[in-house]
Amino acid sequence: GQNIDQPTEMTATEGAIVQINCTYQTSGFNGLFWYQQHAGEAPTFLSYNVLDGLEEKGRFSSFLSRSKGYSYLLLKELQMKDSASYLCAVNSNSGYALNFGKGTSLLVTP
Amino acid sequence: EAQVTQNPRYLITVTGKKLTVTCSQNMNHEYMSWYRQDPGLGLRQIYYSMNVEVTDKGDVPEGYKVSRKEKRNFPLILESPSPNQTSLYFCASSSGDELWETQYFGPGTRLLVL
Repeated sequence: GQNIDQPTEMTATEGAIVQINCTYQTSGFNGLFWYQQHAGEAPTFLSYNVLDGLEEKGRFSSFLSRSKGYSYLLLKELQMKDSASYLCAVNSNSGYALNFGKGTSLLVTP
Repeated sequence: EAQVTQNPRYLITVTGKKLTVTCSQNMNHEYMSWYRQDPGLGLRQIYYSMNVEVTDKGDVPEGYKVSRKEKRNFPLILESPSPNQTSLYFCASSSGDELWETQYFGPGTRLLVL
């Protein structure tokens, strides 16, 4: 089966840096995605990693270690609007199906 | 504007009354998918389609049907809805050209089955 784990909740302060971890155990691996989802809205794409290393996109960065089955999403200079749920998803076969973790609810406080 | 649309956005129905949730995309995407999202369980895939007339089961297909008669549309059919199908449903699509292509999600359909 597919197992994707991430913390349920995190709290951080405006202006700070937060790291959201994701570990996965899947039958295959074709890439890992991070999505952001505000309450009641659709998920929106943040990043994609298929090779080991760090991908940086503005205030957001994502890291992947395939040998460890581990990824993290790094959010810098946190803003109040970053309060949302962050979803880790793995493409684990040759198709396009995504297996999602349960999401991490991030609360940014003043 | 490139988008995925779903209708209806909100629906209250009763057990056993057949319903269809429509999904349409204007990006000429080959791949389309349906997910349901429940508190504490995350997003789970119901069905997906790699192209016209090609559909396959996801992780939680029981109680659902889909069809893909044309590229842009991928309706989700609940033949006999039950209360455990109360959920938030998302349709998604991607081009299928590259594995790294992100999936674009529709706005969601909130379904309550009484």
